[in-house]
Amino acid sequence: AQSVTQLGSHVSVSEGALVLLRCNYSSSVPPYLFWYVQYPNQGLQLLLKYTSAATLVKGINGFEAEFKKSETSFHLTKPSAHMSDAAEYFCAVSFPNSGNTPLVFGKGTRLSVIA
Amino acid sequence: DSGVTQTPKHLITATGQRVTLRCSPRSGDLSVYWYQQSLDQGLQFLIQYYNGEERAKGNILERFSAQQFPDLHSELNLSSLELGDSALYFCASSVRRENTEAFFGQGTRLTVV
Repeated sequence: AQSVTQLGSHVSVSEGALVLLRCNYSSSVPPYLFWYVQYPNQGLQLLLKYTSAATLVKGINGFEAEFKKSETSFHLTKPSAHMSDAAEYFCAVSFPNSGNTPLVFGKGTRLSVIA
Repeated sequence: DSGVTQTPKHLITATGQRVTLRCSPRSGDLSVYWYQQSLDQGLQFLIQYYNGEERAKGNILERFSAQQFPDLHSELNLSSLELGDSALYFCASSVRRENTEAFFGQGTRLTVV
């Protein structure tokens, strides 16, 4: 079955430190991968997406992610955390070339940034 | 602002009642998706419509139904409500049938008392 797993339901970093949020997927067909961010009482906002072009994807707010097929991973990073990055982050996967499948989300990782 | 509009933002209702949640997709988007977000289940896909037709079905209860109208707005109907139906309900839209990218509304927070 196709799925996505986010390692760590809660990650805490100091302001200015590296942010690393982990996402692994399970799939037998080429995936499209996404990272979304959800601020409190808000909807989900697309941070970045991988759709089979460049494996290193740059998104908004200084975030980037690298698609590694050999590791079935799509980890999200940001070199220097800012207080405003505190939010819930969701990794999601879809398979547009394998029939119609909607986005399947991971359980989310809550990022806390400590001053 | 994603361009996806959901109303109402908050809804409080009693068990056994029926409610309707409304979603207007981004201009030009033909696909509408409904998701339920709860603390224990996370984000669960409910149903997708594309240009008025049901396209995919997820973990949607029989008490729930949806439709997409000719003007492409969508409604999610929840009936015989139970306490466990309390959740955030999100609508998302995309241009294509295949979900290469979805834009989410702000959600409707449903509280069943």
